Amino acid sequence: QSVLTQPPSASGTPGQRVTISCSGWGSNIGSNIVNWYQQFPGTAPKLLIYSSTQRPSGVPDRFSGSKSGSSASLAISGLQAEDEAHYYCASWDDSLNGVVFGGGTKLTVL
Amino acid sequence: QVTLKESGPVLVKPTETLTLTCTVSGFSLSTVELGVSWIRQPPGEALEWLGNIFSIDSKSYSSSLKSRLTISKDTSKSQVVLTMTNMDPADTATYYCARMFGEGRLNWFDSWGQGTLVTVSS
Repeated sequence: QSVLTQPPSASGTPGQRVTISCSGWGSNIGSNIVNWYQQFPGTAPKLLIYSSTQRPSGVPDRFSGSKSGSSASLAISGLQAEDEAHYYCASWDDSLNGVVFGGGTKLTVL
Repeated sequence: QVTLKESGPVLVKPTETLTLTCTVSGFSLSTVELGVSWIRQPPGEALEWLGNIFSIDSKSYSSSLKSRLTISKDTSKSQVVLTMTNMDPADTATYYCARMFGEGRLNWFDSWGQGTLVTVSS
């Protein structure tokens, strides 16, 4: 059971905007930044969003992150077929003194 | 170019100790605000953070696995080593090392190794 809660699946059609939620607690998201990782089957995760809202160089601006209270969201606008992947949120947890991940969300592009 | 690569056994027996090595390039293990973390992923399951080590040799471990884990580094060899004792079939997973940017609560994994699948079976 993951400390951070994500929906197991999400879907959308090409061109749509989809959001993936990540729910936590005061000891993690409520007090710290959130990072998002994208993972394609059989490959290592890749940093998608860091510090809750920042995009690393090379990540399209179709991807955006937000945080409010103890929850965070990843939004993908102009959905494309190549966005089909697993998405994980992560944050530092002050009580556990370590990094906690969400259970991951599988995004399907219909 | 930053790269990380995991190496070690693909198969270990129950109760044995696992030793994995992460060899890095493109950055120094002595650079302030940079560290290396170990993260694992059982087949078909979510990511799980195991622990990390930073430039000043500070370490953090997952509270649930702390008693079984040791992370160390050899800066001159650009290597970080993970040892996990008393392996169990439930520890079967792909083990990743990742560069951790930032210390304490402000951190993220900005580069990842390709991962190595470790199977625990007799």
